[in-house]
Amino acid sequence: DTGVSQDPRHKITKRGQNVTFRCDPISEHNRLYWYRQTLGQGPEFLTYFQNEAQLEKSRLLSDRFSAERPKGSFSTLEIQRTEQGDSAMYLCASRSPSYGYTFGSGTRLTVV
Amino acid sequence: GIQVEQSPPDLILQEGANSTLRCNFSDSVNNLQWFHQNPWGQLINLFYIPSGTKQNGRLSATTVATERYSLLYISSSQTTDSGVYFCAVRGSTLGRLYFGRGTQLTVWP
Repeated sequence: DTGVSQDPRHKITKRGQNVTFRCDPISEHNRLYWYRQTLGQGPEFLTYFQNEAQLEKSRLLSDRFSAERPKGSFSTLEIQRTEQGDSAMYLCASRSPSYGYTFGSGTRLTVV
Repeated sequence: GIQVEQSPPDLILQEGANSTLRCNFSDSVNNLQWFHQNPWGQLINLFYIPSGTKQNGRLSATTVATERYSLLYISSSQTTDSGVYFCAVRGSTLGRLYFGRGTQLTVWP
């Protein structure tokens, strides 16, 4: 499978706990993106990496959120001290100049 | 940021009917894609179409970049076409995609 992989698919956590999600992009894509989608809305941009450099962050990415891409391959998104408002689908994508963006299946987070 | 408006917000069809979905955007773009989000939440890339016309089976898309709109045509719709269709654009300098709110398509047998 050469698509974008995300893990886990589902995560239920108690308010105040920390969670971490992983994304493995298509191997030859050097650009990686994180998006968040809430019910009834289109995905909203969170952050963007080119290789290991984090080039852009949205205002949505509060100080409780951090993303890394240590070796320019997989990426992690961590949410500290989760709140109920963090419940959403977290989507990862990688981009090819010729074919555009390819999205993973997403991680659905539920904060209870 | 770039504003993306999709219409109609909801569309209900009987199997076999044709439909047209529209996407208007507020600024010049370097990238435009149409996605289908399946019931499990995955965004499936339908077309990468910053300009011109493309066809893939029963689906085709046209983007008129100078007039800042794109159209997605679905012919002979099937129940498996149901889901949310998103248009997303990328501007000239930023890496991010801006999404519309989507068109919820329901196809009845």
